Amino acid sequence: QVQLVQSRADLQKPGASVRVSCRSSGYTFTSYGINWVRQAPGQGLEWIGWINTYNGNTNYAQSLQDRVTITTDTSTSTAYMELRSLKSDDTAIYYCARDRCAACSGFDYWGQGTLLTVSS
Amino acid sequence: EIVLTQSPATLSLSPGERVTLSCRASQSVGTSLAWYQHKPGQSPRLLIFDASYRATGIPARFSGSGSGTDFSLTISSLEPEDFAIYYCQQRTNWPRTFTFGPGTKVDIK
Repeated sequence: QVQLVQSRADLQKPGASVRVSCRSSGYTFTSYGINWVRQAPGQGLEWIGWINTYNGNTNYAQSLQDRVTITTDTSTSTAYMELRSLKSDDTAIYYCARDRCAACSGFDYWGQGTLLTVSS
Repeated sequence: EIVLTQSPATLSLSPGERVTLSCRASQSVGTSLAWYQHKPGQSPRLLIFDASYRATGIPARFSGSGSGTDFSLTISSLEPEDFAIYYCQQRTNWPRTFTFGPGTKVDIK
């Protein structure tokens, strides 16, 4: 069965960087894109960015594109989301989610979420 | 950038009632729209993709409709497990980007 398993919760100081991982199993990793989505406390869902796992192409939300990088390691079917220059506003649950297909809408499988807390 | 607006922000309903949630886009998105259900402590769950297609395993009481700028999600008869927050999401093809609406909370009256 398809599974996306994320790294555990993390606590970082303002100004630091963090890398969250998302290990996929149960399907061919390079056949589906991976997205990252976050939810700050009391807020809605915010799309962070996407990676084409076949060729490594990426797109990011304008609000975060200067601070975020999404990469993959196809040998381990793992996607990574690095966020730099952390602020308290980056405190959120971060999710990875799989594209349902290349030419359609919807993310069909989601990781369990990783709580990132940014605090001094 | 395309902005999604959802209405109402909150609904208080009883099990068995029919509910229709609205999602409006600031410009046409064709049928590149999805709906999600999100419960506290859980990951979001895809309900509808491409505006009107139910995702795998989604009960038939959930239906989606619309195209262009106006979309709706209907739950024909609310079950106790349906009380949650519902988000719409649009996809822009080039560049490939996504936007979520602010959500509609459906809670128990």
